[in-house]
Amino acid sequence: GESVGLHLPTLSVQEGDNSIINCAYSNSASDYFIWYKQESGKGPQFIIDIRSNMDKRQGQRVTVLLNKTVKHLSLQIAATQPGDSAVYFCAETYGNNRLAFGKGNQVVVIP
Amino acid sequence: ETGVTQSPTHLIKTRGQQVTLRCSSQSGHNTVSWYQQALGQGPQFIFQYYREEENGRGNFPPRFSGLQFPNYSSELNVNALELDDSALYLCASSRPREEAEAFFGQGTRLTVV
Repeated sequence: GESVGLHLPTLSVQEGDNSIINCAYSNSASDYFIWYKQESGKGPQFIIDIRSNMDKRQGQRVTVLLNKTVKHLSLQIAATQPGDSAVYFCAETYGNNRLAFGKGNQVVVIP
Repeated sequence: ETGVTQSPTHLIKTRGQQVTLRCSSQSGHNTVSWYQQALGQGPQFIFQYYREEENGRGNFPPRFSGLQFPNYSSELNVNALELDDSALYLCASSRPREEAEAFFGQGTRLTVV
C-alpha cells in the first residue's frame, strides 16, 4: 500500500526499545486529546486518549503525557514491536465535535 | 476492524466531474464525520452529521456537501472536482455525546486527473 508518511518526521527505533513521540497542540481551550495510529492503506486507529484535567494516562504498553503549560502531548510506547511501525497522529478537540490533527510522526521499528 | 465501512476503496475521476463517497457507521453510532487527508498530511475536518443534519463544518467550499440517512449511513458529495481534491477521504463514526471517540473507516482514495 502507499505510504501516508511521506516527508514526515521519522523515528527509527530498535525492536524492544521504548519509543517517545511528541506533539505540540495549538489551542489552549482544547479539552480532549487522542493519539491515533495509521498504517499504510488504512484509516486512523484509536490508541489512547486523555482529558485536559489529567496529565498522565496509561494503557497497554502505551502512556500519554499532557503538559498544558507548554501545550505539549507525548506518546510513549514500551517495548516497541514491528507491528508498531506506522504514522502516529495526535488530535485535539475543543467542544465543537471535530478533531484537529497534528502533522504526524512516522515510526520505523528495526528488527 | 472498526465496523465503519467506506465505498468505494479507490476511484479515479476527471477534473470537473462529480463524485459520491459512501460510509456505513458502526452499529449504535449516530454521528458521522468526514475528513480529507492529503498525502503526507494529517486528516482535515470537512463536516459532521448528527441525526441527519449538518453539525459543524470545516474550511471547505460549498461544493463539498453531505447527507446522513435514517440508518446513520452517510454520503460525501464533491462537485466540480479539482486536481487538489485528490486525497484519502475518511469517514469516522461515534456514539452519542462521545463525539471525540471516533472510529475511522479505511478511507476512499480519490484521484482527480
